Amino acid sequence: EAGVTQSPTHLIKTRGQQATLRCSPISGHTSVYWYQQALGLGLQFLLWYDEGEERNRGNFPPRFSGRQFPNYSSELNVNALELEDSALYLCASSTGSGTEAFFGQGTRLTVV
Amino acid sequence: KNEVEQSPQNLTAQEGEFITINCSYSVGISALHWLQQHPGGGIVSLFMLSSGKKKHGRLIATINIQEKHSSLHITASHPRDSAVYICAVSGFGNEKLTFGTGTRLTIIP
Repeated sequence: EAGVTQSPTHLIKTRGQQATLRCSPISGHTSVYWYQQALGLGLQFLLWYDEGEERNRGNFPPRFSGRQFPNYSSELNVNALELEDSALYLCASSTGSGTEAFFGQGTRLTVV
Repeated sequence: KNEVEQSPQNLTAQEGEFITINCSYSVGISALHWLQQHPGGGIVSLFMLSSGKKKHGRLIATINIQEKHSSLHITASHPRDSAVYICAVSGFGNEKLTFGTGTRLTIIP
């Protein structure tokens, strides 16, 4: 069974541009979570999608947004990129509330 | 003060040693997770527990809800166990995970 897959694995963007990161959850999982791990910092919760709806959001500016599609895959969009947005972005999926989450390998975003 | 505290931050041990990593949290939780992050960033979920003890191979995780404390033990440690181990907690009706800062474990052959 395929795990959580994220694309691309690496992404280089220029300050001010927009980045789009993609996540495909494990088959049967309806919840998708996004996390940011900036260099030297711990993991920070970004967004939680369940059944196509945004359920919770971390302490990030509105430049960070996303959506979940009918097939439960998800996109994370980061607008007006800043140098500090350079980080590893991890996606996780689960079958829903209170169940174990499984992580993808991440997308490393570099803003230059 | 962080909601989730881990200790130690760094741990170096000889192959074969018994390893203990501790996690304390200050909020009510529905579950506690132990994660393993290898160089390159990939994260593997090791355990999710809300009470008692779980064992998987050489890994054992325990949690004491009253004391708001969990431990991850590795028996007969091996160099391939070298990784960052992260404790995370999830709240009631709130699926976001709050993470500890991680423990970097290095096992020397």
